[in-house]
Amino acid sequence: AQSVTQLDSHVSVSEGTPVLLRCNYSSSYSPSLFWYVQHPNKGLQLLLKYTSAATLVKGINGFEAEFKKSETSFHLTKPSAHMSDAAEYFCVVSGDNDMRFGAGTRLTVKP
Amino acid sequence: DAGITQSPRHKVTETGTPVTLRCHQTENHRYMYWYRQDPGHGLRLIHYSYGVKDTDKGEVSDGYSVSRSKTEDFLLTLESATSSQTSVYFCAISESPTGSAHTIYFGEGSWLTVV
Repeated sequence: AQSVTQLDSHVSVSEGTPVLLRCNYSSSYSPSLFWYVQHPNKGLQLLLKYTSAATLVKGINGFEAEFKKSETSFHLTKPSAHMSDAAEYFCVVSGDNDMRFGAGTRLTVKP
Repeated sequence: DAGITQSPRHKVTETGTPVTLRCHQTENHRYMYWYRQDPGHGLRLIHYSYGVKDTDKGEVSDGYSVSRSKTEDFLLTLESATSSQTSVYFCAISESPTGSAHTIYFGEGSWLTVV
């Protein structure tokens, strides 16, 4: 079975400072990995995905994530937070007809 | 945005009453899903469909049934709603089954409160 652990349930940063949202996964396969963002009262929107190509994946709105197989991690980063980045973020692992969501990390951005 | 419409978007119902949530897509994707979202659990799969009249259970299917009579519509029914089914329900679609590299697209959610 696959699983995802988002290491922080809540992250708070100041506007203009870097963002790091941590995700570890467990899978017996060569998984695909995704990051989704959910703004209040909205559905989930794809930020980026890793599908066994380049290990550094660039997404929308300046976000990127690095796949590290040796560490079974897929952390999401952004160099400079913006107020509009405040949302909940979900890490997702997909493989062998199974898809698992992490519990989510709520990002707060302070002015 | 993917063409996914959920209805109703908000509903309050009483314990023991039946409830049906509807998902309509305009993308002609073969696979459709119903998830529920609860704090601390992320999203959990309730049921999914891999074609017209082809459905299967997900991780948390007890108390729910689904039907898909047309490619574009996927219905989720709570036969007799309970307070534990108070949640936000998301419909999702994809071209390939989950477990592939294809992206899954989500609707905007249906907020259900069972009192």
